[in-house]
Amino acid sequence: QQPVQSPQAVILREGEDAVINCSSSKALYSVHWYRQKHGEAPVFLMILLKGGEQKGHEKISASFNEKKQQSSLYLTASQLSYSGTYFCGTLLGSNTGKLIFGQGTTLQVKP
Amino acid sequence: GAGVSQSPSNKVTEKGKDVELRCDPISGHTALYWYRQSLGQGLEFLIYFQGNSAPDKSGLPSDRFSAERTGGSVSTLTIQRTQQEDSAVYLCASSLAIRRGGTNSPLHFGNGTRLTVT
Repeated sequence: QQPVQSPQAVILREGEDAVINCSSSKALYSVHWYRQKHGEAPVFLMILLKGGEQKGHEKISASFNEKKQQSSLYLTASQLSYSGTYFCGTLLGSNTGKLIFGQGTTLQVKP
Repeated sequence: GAGVSQSPSNKVTEKGKDVELRCDPISGHTALYWYRQSLGQGLEFLIYFQGNSAPDKSGLPSDRFSAERTGGSVSTLTIQRTQQEDSAVYLCASSLAIRRGGTNSPLHFGNGTRLTVT
């Protein structure tokens, strides 16, 4: 039931791009993305709903492919502040609030 | 306004003792979540509330764990007869609502309670 994130970890240089994937074995109704910095609480990035929409937040955007039961998070021209662990969260049903998170992807941006 | 407040921020307890963790959600948020995060690990779902009711308790690790929410506001997570494997950060989050078709309101997390069982 837990969504699977890939890659588990990625190291970038400032200005480089990255893609984090989130896949589910079950139908997705919505996908949440959060970022957690070391020692801090997770912080909301964006929510994607059914319909394949793409949303953006600064230089971070995401897509949602219902047929593939997958969401991808795109980080372009990465900054040092992007470092942290990224979690996707998925709902397992249309009338449930049970939000299950993937295992996380650790992103490290170096100067 | 004030964010999600959790207390205590740190709790050290002896194995076998009971502990109670408290979460004060953002005012007006009807949905409340509890997650557990072990060192270096992901966010493990425990339970969520819509108002005062908990539609899904399947994430609670054992019958030593229980949670309640009163008045649609404050929630407490109780762990009885604590074990060393219960050591983790317990995170609470709240959101505006759980709507048909999916939770389209972001979760706001508290800073967590770090529980250490010795």
